[in-house]
Amino acid sequence: DGGITQSPKYLFRKEGQNVTLSCEQNLNHDAMYWYRQDPGQGLRLIYYSQIVNDFQKGDIAEGYSVSREKKESFPLTVTSAQKNPTAFYLCATTEGGLTDEQYFGPGTRLTVT
Amino acid sequence: GDSVTQMEGPVTLSEEAFLTINCTYTATGYPSLFWYVQYPGEGLQLLLKATKADDKGSNKGFEATYRKETTSFHLEKGSVQVSDSAVYFCALGVANQFYFGTGTSLTVIP
Repeated sequence: DGGITQSPKYLFRKEGQNVTLSCEQNLNHDAMYWYRQDPGQGLRLIYYSQIVNDFQKGDIAEGYSVSREKKESFPLTVTSAQKNPTAFYLCATTEGGLTDEQYFGPGTRLTVT
Repeated sequence: GDSVTQMEGPVTLSEEAFLTINCTYTATGYPSLFWYVQYPGEGLQLLLKATKADDKGSNKGFEATYRKETTSFHLEKGSVQVSDSAVYFCALGVANQFYFGTGTSLTVIP
């Protein structure tokens, strides 16, 4: 089955700790994205990557970091510098360009206390 | 700049009612337009899309027509069901960027 896996579904951390969210895809898509969603709000782009070993900041990159060492994987680290990290995080992919249809993973809900 | 605006919610309808969720866009160039649906606690799923003017996207009884003259891509369904309760996002892809609307929450009551 082709798809996007995000793990875990729920994640709890103490304030001041870094935490890494996993995103894996077997769709063979080139581009991958991370979005943040807050209650009752739309999606905000954190980082995206169009090819391996390259990534670009989105609208709200501060306090986050990513890597793209493999085509299949695009992990997101929420650092202690992120002031308000509690949110629902969504990973997405596109087959080609940034204007193509986006495929989404099931999301990870991060709670930091 | 490029953007997409959709009607605010929440929207509450009785089962079998007609649904319209408005979406308008601003874009330079030739955008592709999308509707996504998000069920509680899940990621977004593509509902339908249209890539050029006058195209109609349709899926699961939902329809939307790409209207260049009114810069709109309104989502419609003739008879909603309880299972259609979700958040619906209009989205725009243009000039190497992708933009989402803020989402419209729909609740269908029996």
